[in-house]
Amino acid sequence: GAVVSQHPSRVICKSGTSVKIECRSLDFQATTMFWYRQFPKKSLMLMATSNEGSKATYEQGVEKDKFLINHASLTLSTLTVTSAHPEDSSFYICSAKPGTNTGELFFGEGSRLTVL
Amino acid sequence: QQQVKQSPQSLIVQKGGISIINCAYENTAFDYFPWYQQFPGKGPALLIAIRPDVSEKKEGRFTISFNKSAKQFSLHIMDSQPGDSATYFCAANGYGKLTFGQGTILTVHP
Repeated sequence: GAVVSQHPSRVICKSGTSVKIECRSLDFQATTMFWYRQFPKKSLMLMATSNEGSKATYEQGVEKDKFLINHASLTLSTLTVTSAHPEDSSFYICSAKPGTNTGELFFGEGSRLTVL
Repeated sequence: QQQVKQSPQSLIVQKGGISIINCAYENTAFDYFPWYQQFPGKGPALLIAIRPDVSEKKEGRFTISFNKSAKQFSLHIMDSQPGDSATYFCAANGYGKLTFGQGTILTVHP
């Protein structure tokens, strides 16, 4: 299957700093990418949908100014957690959708963020 | 209407047994139903998927059964192995995004 690379896999930062997580589709062009947050032993919670070249669409309750999403190219989307606090600590996962309308999504390996 | 309800929350099976996980949905606009397998600390990996015009799909030891009228679908893992121990998520695609079930933690005892 298609490969989606997510970086970094783990990051520890101090409270108040910003952290950027990258999501790349390695062997296909992704017109749409999704960002999820997952708490321990819980399901994936969709945070936002990003379409290349346009503003991201955020799910209800997700702070746009806290979680900045940029989808500057067909193979790269970034999530920046701004002014991170301990409650932002979580597992963040991206997924990418190929240009075809099959519904199939490919997921990255996830990024574990720990805010001290 | 956007919810996908998954059960059981956890499942323990002996090696060689059959693991069965069930999901139910309300929205008839859903048009694609994948199952994902997730190991601790990793992202979900697509296991098998089905579209509503098919009642069953089999890939190796994994089978999806789909009941369109009942709006239910299930994952069957035949000859379950300890390596199958993971969290399984069903999902449904609609309006351009996936809605996930709550997840099932499967433990296969040797």
